[in-house]
Amino acid sequence: GAGVSQSPSNKVTEKGKDVELRCDPISGHTALYWYRQSLGQGLEFLIYFQGNSAPDKSGLPSDRFSAERTGGSVSTLTIQRTQQEDSAVYLCASSLAGVRLAHTDTQYFGPGTRLTVL
Amino acid sequence: GENVEQHPSTLSVQEGDSAVIKCTYSDSASNYFPWYKQELGKGPQLIIDIRSNVGEKKDQRIAVTLNKTAKHFSLHITETQPEDSAVYFCASSASNTGKLIFGQGTTLQVKP
Repeated sequence: GAGVSQSPSNKVTEKGKDVELRCDPISGHTALYWYRQSLGQGLEFLIYFQGNSAPDKSGLPSDRFSAERTGGSVSTLTIQRTQQEDSAVYLCASSLAGVRLAHTDTQYFGPGTRLTVL
Repeated sequence: GENVEQHPSTLSVQEGDSAVIKCTYSDSASNYFPWYKQELGKGPQLIIDIRSNVGEKKDQRIAVTLNKTAKHFSLHITETQPEDSAVYFCASSASNTGKLIFGQGTTLQVKP
C-alpha cells in the first residue's frame, strides 16, 4: 500500500521567507510525528499529533515553527521568517495509534523534505 | 533529559563479517527500542524493534539485545552484504505519546 508521502521533496528559500511543508500519512494512521534531521545529526522530535490535536509540541525549537493537521490526515509544518539554521531535512512519520496500553506502535517514515535557507 | 548515545559513529567491515552497533539510553522508563536503516536520500526504514519485556529478538541476519539493568541495547548484523551499507539509527521511547529519541547514527560500510 501507499506509504507516507511528503512534499515538496526539496525546498530552497531565502532567509526571512515563510515555508510550508506537507505530510500525507498512511491511510488510517491516527498518530503523526514531525522530526528534523540536521546535516550529520540524528533525528530530533518536533511535534506529535493524535487525530487533529497536538498533545506534545515540546520539540518545536521556536515560536516561528507551527503545525496543524486537518481531517485526521494531512499535516502541514510551517516555518515563519526562516533562518539559515532551519536548513535541514524535515521528516514525517505516522503510526496506527501512537501508544495503546503502553504499547508503542511502529512509526513509518516518509522520504523527507530537504529545506535549504540561503 | 532523555538521551541516547550510539557507538561507533562509523564502522567498516568486510563482506561476510559481523557488525555490532551499541546504544545506551538515559530514561529508565523507556520501554520501546527500534532500529532504523537510512539510505542516502531516503527516509529511515524500520529493520527491527524490541520491547522491554524481552531480552533478545532475531530476524534472519539481524538481532537486537536489550539489557535493561545497564540501559544498553545493541544491533547485531551477521554475514554482512554490501547492500547493508547505510546509516543505522537506534532510538528509544518512554513517552505516552510514542515520540522517539534517536542516537546520532552509525555509518556502516561493507566492503566487497
